[in-house]
Amino acid sequence: EIVLTQSPGTLSLSPGERATLSCRASQSVSSSHLAWYQQRPGQAPRLLIYGASSRATGIPDRFSGSGSGTDFTLTISRLEPEDFAVYYCQQYGNSPRTFGGGTKVEIK
Amino acid sequence: QVQLVQSGAEVKKPGSSVKVSCKASGGTFSSYAINWVRQAPGQGLEWMGGIIPLFGTANYAQKFQGRVTITADESTSSAYMELRSLRSEDTAVYYCATSLRFLEWWLGYWGQGTLVTVSS
Repeated sequence: EIVLTQSPGTLSLSPGERATLSCRASQSVSSSHLAWYQQRPGQAPRLLIYGASSRATGIPDRFSGSGSGTDFTLTISRLEPEDFAVYYCQQYGNSPRTFGGGTKVEIK
Repeated sequence: QVQLVQSGAEVKKPGSSVKVSCKASGGTFSSYAINWVRQAPGQGLEWMGGIIPLFGTANYAQKFQGRVTITADESTSSAYMELRSLRSEDTAVYYCATSLRFLEWWLGYWGQGTLVTVSS
């Protein structure tokens, strides 16, 4: 089973700042099958990025994904008020299709 | 536009079973992977298993092996997740999710979630 470790656990930033979230895998993620999700309180998760760097339909270009192998990054270039939420990475190249523990982006 | 509509909230006794349904409205999903993900109160996301209805064979996270069964009914565009021998730690919101892309396992479309409460 591939274990995904996200860091930091919590990121305290102000609107307009840049957010950099990390997701590290215990073994190489095949074909960059890595996705990022955003979850706001009381809502289902929303897909942001798949294939490590492809934005899902309707996702603003301030969200970008990068990385390969075992190290992946989600970057939010300038935080908007609606971006304060919890973010999860998931590898879907191998079963079980595991999630990371999440990073909470909170208002400083 | 396909929407995933799940069955309603359930309250179950420890040791019993629950079966949650997920119906695709506005389309079919026989070629797409249907995943089940759960989230305990205040916790993160946990992948339970998935199935591609066209192929019929489900795969499961080892943690749930032997206690969960995921099935699909192509004729009604519905998927089901049955969890047996429920315990209090199974109290969670259960989601179905899919990519609506053939053989893709990322989760672009989610059901609204079904709260399952296990309590004596």
